[in-house]
Amino acid sequence: DVVMTQSPLSLPVTLGQPASISCRSSQSLVHSDGNTYLNWFQQRPGQSPRRLIYKVSKRDSGVPDRFSGSGSGTDFTLKVSRVEAEDVGFYYCMQGTHWPLTFGGGTKVEIK
Amino acid sequence: EVQLVESGGGLVQPGGSLRLSCAASGFTFSTYSMTWVRQAPGKGLEWVANIKEDGSEKYYVDSVKGRFTISRDNAKNSLYLQMNSLRAEDTAVYYCVSRRRTAESWGQGTLVTVSS
Repeated sequence: DVVMTQSPLSLPVTLGQPASISCRSSQSLVHSDGNTYLNWFQQRPGQSPRRLIYKVSKRDSGVPDRFSGSGSGTDFTLKVSRVEAEDVGFYYCMQGTHWPLTFGGGTKVEIK
Repeated sequence: EVQLVESGGGLVQPGGSLRLSCAASGFTFSTYSMTWVRQAPGKGLEWVANIKEDGSEKYYVDSVKGRFTISRDNAKNSLYLQMNSLRAEDTAVYYCVSRRRTAESWGQGTLVTVSS
């Protein structure tokens, strides 16, 4: 199985400051169809997960442009340019390239 | 607006069975692959199973193979998860999710508790 390793586990951030979450996979996530199925999700307290980014860097409709995704192969990053109070929660990466699909362990974002 | 509404969760004894349902609306269900993802209390996300648009391919995480069956009824815009031989470690919120590789939209989840 592909292991997805997220860091840090916990990320205290000052409002208005940037934040960055790393996600590394144990195998390349480039699919034979040419796509890289690396996705990012936000889960606010008490809510279902919500997709933010798919295929590494494509931002979902309605997601603020302060969120961005980047990376390739086995090394990926989610960046928030200026953290707002509503960004508090857990963030997960997920690979959709190899069966079984696997998630990172999650990063808890909180305000300092 | 895409809506995924799960139902069928509840309290069941170890070894028992449950059937989860997911009612989909707001998109052409028959053209989307579908997925079940679960989240144990206070834990992270775990992919459980998915199914292609026409039901021709199904994949399962090893821990549920032989016990869980994913299915769909495109005429009813519905996704199902038949869960047999339930174990305490199956206790989780189960989410219905559209698209198997990109997990596009998520339902609100239904809680399954396996306990005596």
